[in-house]
Amino acid sequence: EVQLVESGGGLVQPGGSLRLSCAASGFTFRNYAMSWVRQAPGKGLECVSTISGSDRTTYYADSVKGRFTISRDDSKNTLYLQMNSLRAEDTALYYCAKDLDWGRYDYWGQGTLVTISS
Amino acid sequence: EIVLTQSPATLSLSPGERATLSCRASQSVSSYLITYLVWYQQKPGQAPRLLMYDASNRATGIPARFSGSGSGTDFTLTISSLEPEDFAVYYCQQRSNWPWTFGQGTKVEIK
Repeated sequence: EVQLVESGGGLVQPGGSLRLSCAASGFTFRNYAMSWVRQAPGKGLECVSTISGSDRTTYYADSVKGRFTISRDDSKNTLYLQMNSLRAEDTALYYCAKDLDWGRYDYWGQGTLVTISS
Repeated sequence: EIVLTQSPATLSLSPGERATLSCRASQSVSSYLITYLVWYQQKPGQAPRLLMYDASNRATGIPARFSGSGSGTDFTLTISSLEPEDFAVYYCQQRSNWPWTFGQGTKVEIK
């Protein structure tokens, strides 16, 4: 059974940093691209970042480019998102998603809530 | 980036009725062979669930009452006869050009 479990969310002041983690199980992690998708309270979905499974190519939304860094540790089956220079508009539920076929997300975690407020 | 516009924002229907949801892209999301359009369902307090991919292919375990159509810039998700568990928010998403983008969602609510 595929499981994605996010952690690391919390309340942070503007300008602060957080590191999100996503522990994956039930599939061959290294073979798949993985993404972080966020959802602001009561709002829609935004794909924040993606990392390929093969050559670890990374992609970022313009809204987070230069502030967020996606990475993965295939030996630990874990996906990460380092978030720096956080802003109020980064407040959202952050989902980890398994990418079945380059943008087709077949499994999602339950999300970790990030709140940016002073 | 490709903008997806979904309509209507809210659809009020009764169980057993047919639901027709629309998604329009600001530019084509189809290539010669594939249409890079995906649909998800999201219920309150839950993560999105993959429904349809490549515009018209049902994901694993999705009932046959769900169908998708369209190409280029105009797409439709149809639920032929609404079941109580189908009342939710539906999002379209394009995976033609990065950044993958989502529509703003259509809420299907009980009338």
